[in-house]
Amino acid sequence: EAQVTQNPRYLITVTGKKLTVTCSQNMNHEYMSWYRQDPGLGLRQIYYSMNVEVTDKGDVPEGYKVSRKEKRNFPLILESPSPNQTSLYFCASSIQGATDTQYFGPGTRLTVL
Amino acid sequence: AQTVTQSQPEMSVQEAETVTLSCTYDTSESDYYLFWYKQPPSRQMILVIRQEAYKQQNATENRFSVNFQKAAKSFSLKISDSQLGDAAMYFCALHSFNQAGTALIFGKGTTLSVSS
Repeated sequence: EAQVTQNPRYLITVTGKKLTVTCSQNMNHEYMSWYRQDPGLGLRQIYYSMNVEVTDKGDVPEGYKVSRKEKRNFPLILESPSPNQTSLYFCASSIQGATDTQYFGPGTRLTVL
Repeated sequence: AQTVTQSQPEMSVQEAETVTLSCTYDTSESDYYLFWYKQPPSRQMILVIRQEAYKQQNATENRFSVNFQKAAKSFSLKISDSQLGDAAMYFCALHSFNQAGTALIFGKGTTLSVSS
């Protein structure tokens, strides 16, 4: 089944404790992206990647890191999480870019205490 | 800066009726794409419809259609014959090709409730 998977689905952590949210797609898509969703703000793009080893900042990259060492994986790294990073995070992928249909993962609910 | 505005935080419709969700946007680019995404209670984001700005014809997908007014920078979504399964949050999104890359800008969303 074609899909985007994220892990974990739920995470409660404390300020400053490094964490990684994994994202994997099995559709051989070139483009992958991370979004955060906050009430009243919609979705905002954090980082995106057009291909392996190519990543770019979205609208709200501060406090986040990403890597794209393999086509299928695009992990989101929070080196020192803070409470303002409490949010719902989505990973998405598409064939080539943001103009193509994006397939979203199920979301990761992160709480930083 | 590019922006997407959804002025209706909440809308409601009865089954079998028609509802229109509004979206306005701002971009200085001439080449761009517009999207409507649906997020049901399961939280899964699903593409509803996609419109290329250079195409004058309004996009249609079954019961979903758009009214794309390029000069007015308006991109509304019409849902015909509404069904209970249409209840969700709907996001309008804009993508344009610019020097900054390929960012996708979302509106804040409209929550649609459907009653029987």
